[in-house]
Amino acid sequence: QQQVKQSPQSLIVQKGGISIINCAYENTAFDYFPWYQQFPGKGPALLIAIRPDVSEKKEGRFTISFNKSAKQFSLHIMDSQPGDSATYFCAASGDTGRRALTFGSGTRLQVQP
Amino acid sequence: DTEVTQTPKHLVMGMTNKKSLKCEQHMGHRAMYWYKQKAKKPPELMFVYSYEKLSINESVPSRFSPECPNSSLLNLHLHALQPEDSALYLCASRRSAEETQYFGPGTRLLVL
Repeated sequence: QQQVKQSPQSLIVQKGGISIINCAYENTAFDYFPWYQQFPGKGPALLIAIRPDVSEKKEGRFTISFNKSAKQFSLHIMDSQPGDSATYFCAASGDTGRRALTFGSGTRLQVQP
Repeated sequence: DTEVTQTPKHLVMGMTNKKSLKCEQHMGHRAMYWYKQKAKKPPELMFVYSYEKLSINESVPSRFSPECPNSSLLNLHLHALQPEDSALYLCASRRSAEETQYFGPGTRLLVL
């Protein structure tokens, strides 16, 4: 599986602030880029996803920005809340490999009250 | 409804035991996945089933044996595991014409 690189490893943000997590990929065959949120002891839950034919997608406080030429994409969490404290994984999949997900290394977000 | 259920939630087993993990979904999804997640690491793909047939095996040791008896059920049979196999085992499913995978809550396995 091709690698997906994610940064930062951890992030501390004040309540109401903006959280930004970045990912970069290598495999140009990837055509679907989801973000998953995972709380301790739980399975990953889909947060938002994007395809490379759009540069930005917004759902509520969550926005994905996508730069196809740079092979980078990022998650922005606006007005971050303590309940957003979790681990966030970017991922990628392509039409081959039965759409198995390749995950980034994860970012532990802590939103302080 | 996008629910994937997994049983048991927790499992403790010795290295000589045989146990099975169960995953179930009733969303009509024909692709099902097993992932392994170690602490503070991302999920790693183990197996992919497509239309009840094993499609991908990511070089997983034979002490892990997957089974897909029907389109709603996915099992992972465990035998002679090692302590390093202790992890959260995640099941996911996907509708064939779509990209989104839905994960279950996982089974936390401890091998003593």
